[in-house]
Parts: sequence; structure tokens; C-alpha cells
Amino acid sequence: DAGVIQSPRHEVTEMGQEVTLRCKPISGHNSLFWYRQTMMRGLELLIYFNNNVPIDDSGMPEDRFSAKMPNASFSTLKIQPSEPRDSAVYFCASFSGVGNQPQHFGDGTRLSIL
Amino acid sequence: KQEVTQIPAALSVPEGENLVLNCSFTDSAIYNLQWFRQDPGKGLTSLLLIQSSQREQTSGRLNASLDKSSGRSTLYIAASQPGDSATYLCAVRRDYKLSFGAGTTVTVRA
Repeated sequence: DAGVIQSPRHEVTEMGQEVTLRCKPISGHNSLFWYRQTMMRGLELLIYFNNNVPIDDSGMPEDRFSAKMPNASFSTLKIQPSEPRDSAVYFCASFSGVGNQPQHFGDGTRLSIL
Repeated sequence: KQEVTQIPAALSVPEGENLVLNCSFTDSAIYNLQWFRQDPGKGLTSLLLIQSSQREQTSGRLNASLDKSSGRSTLYIAASQPGDSATYLCAVRRDYKLSFGAGTTVTVRA
């Protein structure tokens, strides 16, 4: 089992640039989550997909953030335009949807906006 | 809104000592509670998951208890080792949402 795979692991870019984060969930998992982790706010849920459909995007901070899941094996989180306050670690997690099973997290993307 | 608090924020112990990490939550209507481990630069690894109907769960040197009515969980790590040094987070699940505490950063000194 390859686990949840995120890319890139690190991203450094200048303010105003478009940033795209990628996630491949565990095969067979039908739920996917994007989280953001900062020192100030801890781990926050940004968006939740079930069967490739966005169910809850109430955590997406602004219209500059968008997420897609075109198929069961791929999701993207895009920030356009990026701002320094978007600097954080972004995690993707997937879940099988079976009762009391844990969410499985990727290693995250450390994003720095200069 | 669910609030999850972890005390202490940081803990340093000599090798071999038992660790006690605390987690409290404000809304007892939870589906389950999970303890995660996070190493620097890494994602979260699930350690233990306690269903809302359970009182405790054990895995090796780890034992987690849950008192849903009082909104508390405790993670015990027996005979700590330097490899246990990490940040430990608890999370409570309601519906599909996990609400996380800020974590306890543990350092085990050799």
C-alpha cells in the first residue's frame, strides 16, 4: 500500500503566483480531505470530497482557493493569486468510508509564499 | 463548535519514564476519538482509535482511555524511548469532520 501521495513536498514561490498542490489518495478510498496546518491555527479542514464530489468547502478561506477531484485517484488544491499568509503545510488525507477506520494522511506540502 | 484542548503543550522526560498525555473536548456527541503521532516534516500517523462506545484501546506500549461523558481522553505510553519523541495530536470525529487539538510535543531524553 503506497499510502497517500502528495506533491510537491516543498514549494517556494513569490506572492501573486499560482500554486497547485496535488494528491493521490489510497486506492479504494472514497473520501478525500484537504487540511492546512499553521502554528497559530493548528490543523484546519479546508474541503471534503466524497465519491469525487465536494461535500463541504466551508473551510476554504477565500475565493483564491479552489479544489478539484476529477477522478477517484487525483485531487488538486489551487491558490491563485497566492499571498504570504497562505504559507503553511497543506495535508491531504483519504478515508475508506468504512465505520471506525482512521483517516490516512500524506506527508504534506510545505508552502512558502515570499 | 467542538473545541479540543491538549495539556501539556510540551513534555520532556528521561528514557524509561511513563508518559501521560491529556485531551479534552467540549461536545460529547462524538463518533470516535483518535490519537495521532506527527514527526517533524511528516504527516500524521494514526496510533489508536477509540469508538464512542469503548472505554479504552491498547496497542503495544500505548493505551488510550475515553470518558465521553466528561469529555476526556488520556494517552499512556509505557517505558518511554527516545524514538517516542514526536508531537501527539488527538482528534474527535463527528460525522465526517475531525476536530484536532494543538498537540503535545514530547521529548524523551536518552
